[in-house]
Order: sequence, then C-alpha cells, then structure tokens
Amino acid sequence: GAGVSQSPRYKVAKRGQDVALRCDPISGHVSLFWYQQALGQGPEFLTYFQNEAQLDKSGLPSDRFFAERPEGSVSTLKIQRTQQEDSAVYLCASSLVGLGQGYEQYFGPGTRLTVT
Amino acid sequence: RKEVEQDPGPFNVPEGATVAFNCTYSNSASQSFFWYRQDCRKEPKLLMSVYSSGNEDGRFTAQLNRASQYISLLIRDSKLSDSATYLCVVRFSGGYNKLIFGAGTRLAVHP
Repeated sequence: GAGVSQSPRYKVAKRGQDVALRCDPISGHVSLFWYQQALGQGPEFLTYFQNEAQLDKSGLPSDRFFAERPEGSVSTLKIQRTQQEDSAVYLCASSLVGLGQGYEQYFGPGTRLTVT
Repeated sequence: RKEVEQDPGPFNVPEGATVAFNCTYSNSASQSFFWYRQDCRKEPKLLMSVYSSGNEDGRFTAQLNRASQYISLLIRDSKLSDSATYLCVVRFSGGYNKLIFGAGTRLAVHP
C-alpha cells in the first residue's frame, strides 16, 4: 500500500519568500506529525495533529511557521518570510491512533528546503 | 543539555565486526524507547523497539537500563548493508506520542 508522501521533494526559496509543504499521510491514520531535521542532526518535533485538531504546536520555532490539516487527512506546513536558518529537511509522519497509544510512526521521504 | 545524547560517530568497522552504540536520555518520564535507522538522504525507519528486559532481532540486540537512563544497541556480524545512521529515540508519557531523537551515530561498514 501507499506510504506517506510529501511534496515537493526539493524546494529552493529566496529569503523572504513564503513556502508551503504538503504531506499525504497513510489513509486512515489519525495522527500526523511534522519534524524538522537540520544537517547532521536528528529530527526535531514541530507539531502534532489528531485528525483535524492541532493538539501540540510547541515545537514550531516562530510565528512564521503555520500548519493545518483541515479535513483530517492532508496537511500543509507553511513557512512565511523564509530565513536561511529554515533550511532543513521537513519530515511528516503518521500513525494509526492517537493519544496514549504507542503505534509506529511512518515517515515520508521529506521535503528538502534550501533558502538562499 | 540535549534530551537524548548519543555516541559521536562515525564508527568505521570491517565486515563481521561487532559494534555497540550507546545513548542516554535526561527525562525520567520517558516511556518508550526505539532505535531508528536512517540511510543517507532517506527518511528514518523503525529498526526496533527497546524493552526493559532487553530484546533481540536477529543480529541486533537492544538493552534498556531505566535506573541509569541508558539505552544500547549491539550489532553482531556487521554487513555492508548496515552502513547508515542509527538514531536513538524516546517517547514521553505525556507528549502526544511525539518522538525525541538523538543526533544519530553514523556507522560505516567496510569490506
């Protein structure tokens, strides 16, 4: 079956541009996570959705970062006025169930964002 | 201090070698523990969960010491295909299942 897909796979943005990164989770997965992975580091949590509800956005680095999942399936991570420090791989992960239950998170291939 | 700390890499080992990775975590509320594998320019994939009693999956053995807040991964009889970055991961009980990753340890297995 299809896994988690993300688009675009690569994005180059000029500093100050807005970007939108898309995530298609595995069909039927309730939970959706966004992570940011800088070069040479492990992924860092950004935000979490259970269906359409954004339950945790504690990892978003600034108010330039915004995420949504309006119908509880596809999610978009938007970065406004991009800065060079936003250059990273943005990973989306989904899992079958939500709160309090430990199910495996399946990761998408990521979007590699380069801000010039 | 980072919440999850790992051995700095890289580890360069010959085929057939046994290699061990260590990891410590700072939050005693950590509930679940994992090792993920990440190939170059690919997404992380779950290698194995880590249980208090220790667990084994073929050539891979994971151990957890809750008292010392320490996790380990042992790889026996290394293969060229084991070359990757190994990420130590914890999940906190109150954290909506979000994963906290270490920076990863790179393993290079050579002929």
